[in-house]
Amino acid sequence: DTVLTQSPALAVSPGERVSISCRASEGVNSYMHWYQQKPGQQPKLLIYKASNLASGVPARFSGSGSGTDFTLTIDPVEADDTATYFCQQSWNDRTFGGGTKLELK
Amino acid sequence: QVQLKESGPGLVQPSETLSLTCTVSGFSLTSYSVSWVRQPSGKGPEWMGRMWYDGDTAYNSALKSRLSISRDTSKNQVFLKMNSLQTDDTGTYYCTRDRRYFDYWGQGVMVTVSS
Repeated sequence: DTVLTQSPALAVSPGERVSISCRASEGVNSYMHWYQQKPGQQPKLLIYKASNLASGVPARFSGSGSGTDFTLTIDPVEADDTATYFCQQSWNDRTFGGGTKLELK
Repeated sequence: QVQLKESGPGLVQPSETLSLTCTVSGFSLTSYSVSWVRQPSGKGPEWMGRMWYDGDTAYNSALKSRLSISRDTSKNQVFLKMNSLQTDDTGTYYCTRDRRYFDYWGQGVMVTVSS
């Protein structure tokens, strides 16, 4: 299985830029996707295939990377962005990262 | 609009079988694949398996021996059956539209495995 590793938590001030990383245990081409999940809600697709913005998602969100290293960037961060962010790969079937909890200072 | 909705029991006895139904609307099961994803409380999601648009299936290797996914296209439903449930199978179970990424999700159903 392809293991995805994410940092467990980040804290950032509103208005700043934040980068959330995801490292794959093997190359996944560009088949990396990002989700936002707030407590009590289902995950919401933000970015698909590394850098494509999902429908209705603000342009403050962007994605980059290929191979094994990927980044989700939020710029500028807003208070409503407090959530857990998951990466998911679909090159070798489907696996998710453990999530990065984003907190605002 | 695209919608998915899970239904099934909230409480299952250890060693018994979990049966869930995903009812979809706004798209055809013969055009799109549907996956089941589960999430223990406070942990990351886990992909369980997929019903392909052509009727084929794919399963997480860790669950394959216990899991079965089927469908009824006339009712726009996808079914999950998993046997030999244990307490670590407790969590929220989602069905999602699978385009290699999961663009639409159901609201989820909380399943507790307990006697």
